[in-house]
Amino acid sequence: DAGVTQSPTHLIKTRGQHVTLRCSPISGHKSVSWYQQVLGQGPQFIFQYYEKEERGRGNFPDRFSARQFPNYSSELNVNALLLGDSALYLCASSLGGRGLTEAFFGQGTRLTVV
Amino acid sequence: GDSVTQMEGPVTLSEEAFLTINCTYTATGYPSLFWYVQYPGEGLQLLLKATKADDKGSNKGFEATYRKETTSFHLEKGSVQVSDSAVYFCALSPLNAGGTSYGKLTFGQGTILTVHP
Repeated sequence: DAGVTQSPTHLIKTRGQHVTLRCSPISGHKSVSWYQQVLGQGPQFIFQYYEKEERGRGNFPDRFSARQFPNYSSELNVNALLLGDSALYLCASSLGGRGLTEAFFGQGTRLTVV
Repeated sequence: GDSVTQMEGPVTLSEEAFLTINCTYTATGYPSLFWYVQYPGEGLQLLLKATKADDKGSNKGFEATYRKETTSFHLEKGSVQVSDSAVYFCALSPLNAGGTSYGKLTFGQGTILTVHP
């Protein structure tokens, strides 16, 4: 079975540009979460979607937005990029719903803003 | 809000040494607790988990016990190998009042483990 897939794997953008990151969850998983991992730190929660609805939002500016599609894949969009947005962006999928649902992570997208 | 605190600083050990990485948490209710491992250049992999007080999670020789009274989930391994060198993250996932988990995780800052031959 395919795991969580993210694209692209690496990306270089210029300050002020816009970026779209994509994530395909494990088949059958209905919840997708996005995390930002700055070098040397733990992942920070950005967004969570379940059944195509936003279920949680972390402490990130409005330049960050996301959505989940009917096939449960997801996009993370970042507008007006800043140098500080350079990080590894991780997508995690889980079954969601009642009880413990483990999160499985993709390999991440390495975004560099210059 | 929820938070996770891991021991400060990198850990350097010789092969076959005993490992402890401390983790404490703050959360309302009864969160599930996890240890994730990140090898160089890779994403996060689930190492072990525990869902309720006194549960012991174990995998690949690693163990951690959910201690509600001390709000801790310390990671231990009796004999580390060079291949265990990685960054280890403690994390929690809350259940809402309805017992539903959407998979959101709160992570600690990570502990770098280096094991020398």
